[in-house]
Amino acid sequence: GDSVTQMEGPVTLSEEAFLTINCTYTATGYPSLFWYVQYPGEGLQLLLKATKADDKGSNKGFEATYRKETTSFHLEKGSVQVSDSAVYFCALSPLNSGYSTLTFGKGTMLLVSP
Amino acid sequence: EAGVAQSPRYKIIEKRQSVAFWCNPISGHATLYWYQQILGQGPKLLIQFQNNGVVDDSQLPKDRFSAERLKGVDSTLKIQPAKLEDSAVYLCASSLDQLRGEQFFGPGTRLTVL
Repeated sequence: GDSVTQMEGPVTLSEEAFLTINCTYTATGYPSLFWYVQYPGEGLQLLLKATKADDKGSNKGFEATYRKETTSFHLEKGSVQVSDSAVYFCALSPLNSGYSTLTFGKGTMLLVSP
Repeated sequence: EAGVAQSPRYKIIEKRQSVAFWCNPISGHATLYWYQQILGQGPKLLIQFQNNGVVDDSQLPKDRFSAERLKGVDSTLKIQPAKLEDSAVYLCASSLDQLRGEQFFGPGTRLTVL
């Protein structure tokens, strides 16, 4: 079945550091890929998405590129802020499933210190 | 635009008791989802509704869990009787339609079973 693997956290960075959170997936065909973010005490929010190979999703300074050859969708940000501290989830939705079902990774906690 | 509402936010019960969670999706959203998020893991889909019909309940433990979405709007998820392993955050999400529409999540209900 479909699965998503994320790097384990927590990832601890100083403000303005470069961020990478790795995500790889296993799926039949070419799924849509997503990054969701969960701030403390809040629900998940869609951060960015990509629906086909080589697409780059971007939002709020975060970027991720859909790499079919390596089945990866790594999340990056050039300069993190304290307010980026949250849990980040990589997820996929099967192509042609007919439904927008999401399979999530376990999540990676990011802690940014001033 | 109001987001997805859930109540209660927190619930503590003893094992073998019953509990119910309520969700009000974003107005006009046809698809509603219930997820279970165990500590340290990503959300796992329990059940998906399209209007008031069940689309996917393959991962719902039907011997103890039940859900309904009468009139295709609000939904309730019930656990009876609860087990210790049901301790988790129960997330409700909604999307405009079932074909890879963005899912909007509520804040969740944190259930503790003692």
